[in-house]
Amino acid sequence: DVKVTQSSRYLVKRTGEKVFLECVQDMDHENMFWYRQDPGLGLRLIYFSYDVKMKEKGDIPEGYSVSREKKERFSLILESASTNQTSMYLCASTPGQGQYEQYFGPGTRLTVT
Amino acid sequence: GENVEQHPSTLSVQEGDSAVIKCTYSDSASNYFPWYKQELGKRPQLIIDIRSNVGEKKDQRIAVTLNKTAKHFSLHITETQPEDSAVYFCADSGGYQKVTFGTGTKLQVIP
Repeated sequence: DVKVTQSSRYLVKRTGEKVFLECVQDMDHENMFWYRQDPGLGLRLIYFSYDVKMKEKGDIPEGYSVSREKKERFSLILESASTNQTSMYLCASTPGQGQYEQYFGPGTRLTVT
Repeated sequence: GENVEQHPSTLSVQEGDSAVIKCTYSDSASNYFPWYKQELGKRPQLIIDIRSNVGEKKDQRIAVTLNKTAKHFSLHITETQPEDSAVYFCADSGGYQKVTFGTGTKLQVIP
């Protein structure tokens, strides 16, 4: 059974703080993704990675960066959190090699005050 | 994909009736169309997908149809049950690994 875990379920940060969200998958998946989910806007891709140390911008990368130093771990970084980054953040992974089902983590509800 | 439009945003049906959710896409290169179900407080999970070389796919009470000429695809749920209540997301992908999601449809099945 594929497990995708995220470091926190709920997080409250202050404006201007640096925020780290971590995602770990245990099935040796090649590809990993970060989305944010907002009511009425669906799931929007922030960044994705198809290999260690590789990253690609998604549709809304502004204000975010990512790091993938190990295959199983993909971190999302908010360099200076702002109130408009209050959202649900979902991590996902896909096996690659012809398999494209996205396996999601439980999500992190981030509130920036 | 570039842009995926999903309708309706909310849908209420009586238990036992059918539900249909429609999506349109704009990227001619899109060739993979998955559907995800997200129950309240849970993570999205894949329920069915279709590739561009197939017009229809069924899995028990769920079916997806694809019209590449018109660039739209639909999810059909027959004999709806209360446990079908959830938010459903369509998506498309031209490069398989990166998908673009629709805005979601909240389906309520009324017992």
